Amino acid sequence: QKEVEQNSGPLSVPEGAIASLNCTYSDRVSQSFFWYRQYSGKSPELIMSIYSNGDKEDGRFTAQLNKASQYVSLLIRDSQPSDSATYLCAVNGKRNNRLAFGKGNQVVVIP
Amino acid sequence: DVKVTQSSRYLVKRTGEKVFLECVQDMDHENMFWYRQDPGLGLRLIYFSYDVKMKEKGDIPEGYSVSREKKERFSLILESASTNQTSMYLCASSLGSGVAEETQYFGPGTRLLVL
Repeated sequence: QKEVEQNSGPLSVPEGAIASLNCTYSDRVSQSFFWYRQYSGKSPELIMSIYSNGDKEDGRFTAQLNKASQYVSLLIRDSQPSDSATYLCAVNGKRNNRLAFGKGNQVVVIP
Repeated sequence: DVKVTQSSRYLVKRTGEKVFLECVQDMDHENMFWYRQDPGLGLRLIYFSYDVKMKEKGDIPEGYSVSREKKERFSLILESASTNQTSMYLCASSLGSGVAEETQYFGPGTRLLVL
């Protein structure tokens, strides 16, 4: 079982709609969860971190964490063309100081 | 703001050459990381360092070595570059190992082409 899985294929959403991304992780003791955004040809940049069960909102982004079910999700409200990017989920895992990254989900916002 | 810089954005090397990629962070972070990123394979950890002169192998260390002589600087060395090392190389750093200290901040990346 992979440490972090992001299974959905490319996601196309119309401008103004909600984009929903999901991520599952295998290590029950994980405590830190991150969402990174990566534009094509650029490096990942942190957009959200979450450490407690529940929702965390930052502008148009909401991260949701459910430790019992071992998933973390990201909602992008009022999607804009500038949100078109690949979104990486990252989780602190079995090995100290390291993060395990999912392979990412591509989001395409259609004007 | 955390700033992580990498010595080159683009690099073209010949097979067999020794290649040095350098990364510098300005926030006194304990941990520094080297990843490579290839289409369909995601981010793969090559090496990381949790202190000066301390290093640990990641998931794909073969063909690479690293050096961390100063806290702010972490170098990745390709001893004898091969075409299968053509990739995007990303450096990252994080503050420590506690909750909220593990956030990794990435440099802009170096796109390496080995001919």
